[in-house]
Amino acid sequence: QKEVEQNSGPLSVPEGAIASLNCTYSDRGSQSFFWYRQYSGKSPELIMFIYSNGDKEDGRFTAQLNKASQYVSLLIRDSQPSDSATYLCAVNGSSNTGKLIFGQGTTLQVKP
Amino acid sequence: DAGITQSPRHKVTETGTPVTLRCHQTENHRYMYWYRQDPGHGLRLIHYSYGVKDTDKGEVSDGYSVSRSKTEDFLLTLESATSSQTSVYFCAISDRGGGPDTQYFGPGTRLTVL
Repeated sequence: QKEVEQNSGPLSVPEGAIASLNCTYSDRGSQSFFWYRQYSGKSPELIMFIYSNGDKEDGRFTAQLNKASQYVSLLIRDSQPSDSATYLCAVNGSSNTGKLIFGQGTTLQVKP
Repeated sequence: DAGITQSPRHKVTETGTPVTLRCHQTENHRYMYWYRQDPGHGLRLIHYSYGVKDTDKGEVSDGYSVSRSKTEDFLLTLESATSSQTSVYFCAISDRGGGPDTQYFGPGTRLTVL
């Protein structure tokens, strides 16, 4: 069973700090990696994706990918209370079917 | 926002009754997916479709069937609902147009089976 693992949290950070969310995956052939944000009672919304080793920045968000270590992370700089949500990591796997495998999600709490 | 709607948004039903959930998209995307989300399990794929009349099973397909007779509609049917199927159901779409397999989600349907 191909897996995607995340620490469920909650991860608590003060307002203005950097929040670091981590994800590991088991399928070494995975090509694309996604971060979704899900507010309580809402549907997941895409924050960003990454498919090359290294960093990808989009505003306050930076995704980091290390395929050798099978590790992907999301950094949120200058965290705001509005960032409080559950963050889902998703991996496409190596089957090329378009299916995504999701982690259980990490709950982030940003305290004012 | 991707043009995805789900109906109904909330439903309470009795054990043993059939239930059909509808996902409708206006994006003309080829791929559509049904997930369920439960505490402690995250999002799990039930069934997906890669074109009209083309569907396949996901990891938790037992007790569910799907149909796709038009590009825009993907139906999920619980033939005989059980309490274990109480969950939040999300539909997602993807065009897989040569880029990453980004999926966009509908608003969800909260189903309670009594």
